[in-house]
Amino acid sequence: AQKVTQAQTEISVVEKEDVTLDCVYETRDTTYYLFWYKQPPSGELVFLIRRNSFDEQNEISGRYSWNFQKSTSSFNFTITASQVVDSAVYFCALTFTGGGNKLTFGTGTQLKVEL
Amino acid sequence: EAGVTQFPSHSVIEKGQTVTLRCDPISGHDNLYWYRRVMGKEIKFLLHFVKESKQDESGMPNNRFLAERTGGTYSTLKVQPAELEDSGVYFCASSPARLAGPSYEQYFGPGTRLTVT
Repeated sequence: AQKVTQAQTEISVVEKEDVTLDCVYETRDTTYYLFWYKQPPSGELVFLIRRNSFDEQNEISGRYSWNFQKSTSSFNFTITASQVVDSAVYFCALTFTGGGNKLTFGTGTQLKVEL
Repeated sequence: EAGVTQFPSHSVIEKGQTVTLRCDPISGHDNLYWYRRVMGKEIKFLLHFVKESKQDESGMPNNRFLAERTGGTYSTLKVQPAELEDSGVYFCASSPARLAGPSYEQYFGPGTRLTVT
């Protein structure tokens, strides 16, 4: 069975602080895909990143970076120098070859960035 | 290009009533998905259409839920009769046919918040 755990329900930081959102996943499949989505107050889920199980290279996109470690089954997301506009709910998700296209989501982490 | 749209944005109904949610995917996207998030819990998959055919409906909770996608364009999700536990946010997502594998992102709509009282 597939499972995604986001243990942090809510995180509050002050603007310009760095913050890391944790994501731990479980799967028996050797080929799988991990995603992060952002849900701003407007409601829609916005795609941030996709990573396949054969690519453990970390990725940086502006202030965002992702750390994929198969050894610990984690796919953590770091925001550097957070801004108020980063306030949102962030979801980590998993899918795998042979599982159709359905995404298995974590429960989400509410990030609040305050001035 | 317009994104995935959902209607209504919010619906409040009484237990036992019927509600129909609508999703318009991105034009040309053959794959359409429904998900649901119950308050504070994870977003759960309900079903997947490829054009007008149901590819996977393993997540549908029970036979009170009926999804259709006539003509392979927009989709409706009907709940009849609604129960209290059906309250939540219903998301629709779509993806293009040529990128229909599990490795590609799904584009989500803003969701419909359903409240059953």
